[in-house]
Amino acid sequence: DGGITQSPKYLFRKEGQNVTLSCEQNLNHDAMYWYRQDPGQGLRLIYYSQIVNDFQKGDIAEGYSVSREKKESFPLTVTSAQKNPTAFYLCASSILRTDSGNTIYFGEGSWLTVV
Amino acid sequence: AQSVAQPEDQVNVAEGNPLTVKCTYSVSGNPYLFWYVQYPNRGLQFLLKYITGDNLVKGSYGFEAEFNKSQTSFHLKKPSALVSDSALYFCAVRDSRNYGQNFVFGPGTRLSVLP
Repeated sequence: DGGITQSPKYLFRKEGQNVTLSCEQNLNHDAMYWYRQDPGQGLRLIYYSQIVNDFQKGDIAEGYSVSREKKESFPLTVTSAQKNPTAFYLCASSILRTDSGNTIYFGEGSWLTVV
Repeated sequence: AQSVAQPEDQVNVAEGNPLTVKCTYSVSGNPYLFWYVQYPNRGLQFLLKYITGDNLVKGSYGFEAEFNKSQTSFHLKKPSALVSDSALYFCAVRDSRNYGQNFVFGPGTRLSVLP
């Protein structure tokens, strides 16, 4: 099946620990994104990447890091510097063309909880 | 700068009645407009988009939206609501002049369809 796969669905982090959320897409999309969603709230952009080996900070990048070594993969690391990481994390991807509107498609999300 | 407003945090409607979820936007150029739906603990699902052409756009699950340039609105509608339509709905906009530009999402509107 084509789509965006996020893993794990649920993750628990201890204080001071780094954790990595996986995101893989087999849609051959150029761009990939990470969003954070706090319960009952909207989406905030953490990082995005439009091409391999390049990525840009979004609105709330502090305490997070990413890599884009392959077109299909865009892992997100939540570092110990992120003081309030408990949230629902959404990975997304899109093509980049001038005429298609570049619809963003989302994975199923990952819950991160600090214990 | 781009922005999206969803003026209602919550919309309640009885099953079988028509529903409307409101969205207004602001962009410098021509807008690309999108609606997404999110069920609990799930990622966002794409419903429909307006790129150009007919102002009335039809999408998934019987939803439609009407683009109104003069009122800068893109309201989501459905003629007859189902209990299963209860979810969180997000409107998003992107400026058509820059295909590499990121989406801006609205804060979301929670739709409750009462049996």
